[in-house]
Amino acid sequence: GENVEQHPSTLSVQEGDSAVIKCTYSDSASNYFPWYKQELGKGPQLIIDIRSNVGEKKDQRIAVTLNKTAKHFSLHITETQPEDSAVYFCAASTNAGKSTFGDGTTLTVKP
Amino acid sequence: DAGVIQSPRHEVTEMGQEVTLRCKPISGHDYLFWYRQTMMRGLELLIYFNNNVPIDDSGMPEDRFSAKMPNASFSTLKIQPSEPRDSAVYFCASSLRGSGGYTFGSGTRLTVV
Repeated sequence: GENVEQHPSTLSVQEGDSAVIKCTYSDSASNYFPWYKQELGKGPQLIIDIRSNVGEKKDQRIAVTLNKTAKHFSLHITETQPEDSAVYFCAASTNAGKSTFGDGTTLTVKP
Repeated sequence: DAGVIQSPRHEVTEMGQEVTLRCKPISGHDYLFWYRQTMMRGLELLIYFNNNVPIDDSGMPEDRFSAKMPNASFSTLKIQPSEPRDSAVYFCASSLRGSGGYTFGSGTRLTVV
């Protein structure tokens, strides 16, 4: 089955700096890669996603890149703000229906 | 849209009691997932349904856990009998066609004492 590894497990940055979270996957059939943000006491929320026919996608301060050859994808957050502090999960999915999640990255943005 | 609705938000029960968690997916979504989240094991997929039919229940810990989806707008996860190690946050999520992103509910925090 699919295996998703996510790094780092914790990340602390100064407000205004950039943050990068990286994930690798094992199943070459995976073709959909969502990212979720989970705030304290809430369920994970989809913030951005990318499909295998695209190499990069950007939405304001958030961007995701995908390297299918190397089987890795990354989340980039620029100009970080304290409200970006949360746990971020990457995931990989095939058309079979279920996503495999990474173990999560706890991001802390210091004011 | 009210999103995925889970109830109750919090449940405290004594060991040995039956616990039933409920979920209402987003209307029109054809996939429904039950996850368990703990600090030690992260997000674990327990079971998922497609068009109300269970597709993969390999993540269900043991026979004490069961899940049903009697119709497209309702699912339950039952634990009988409950044990302290079942304490966790249980999330329900739904998606359309399975290859899109999930919409998660707010979760049920279960404490078994």
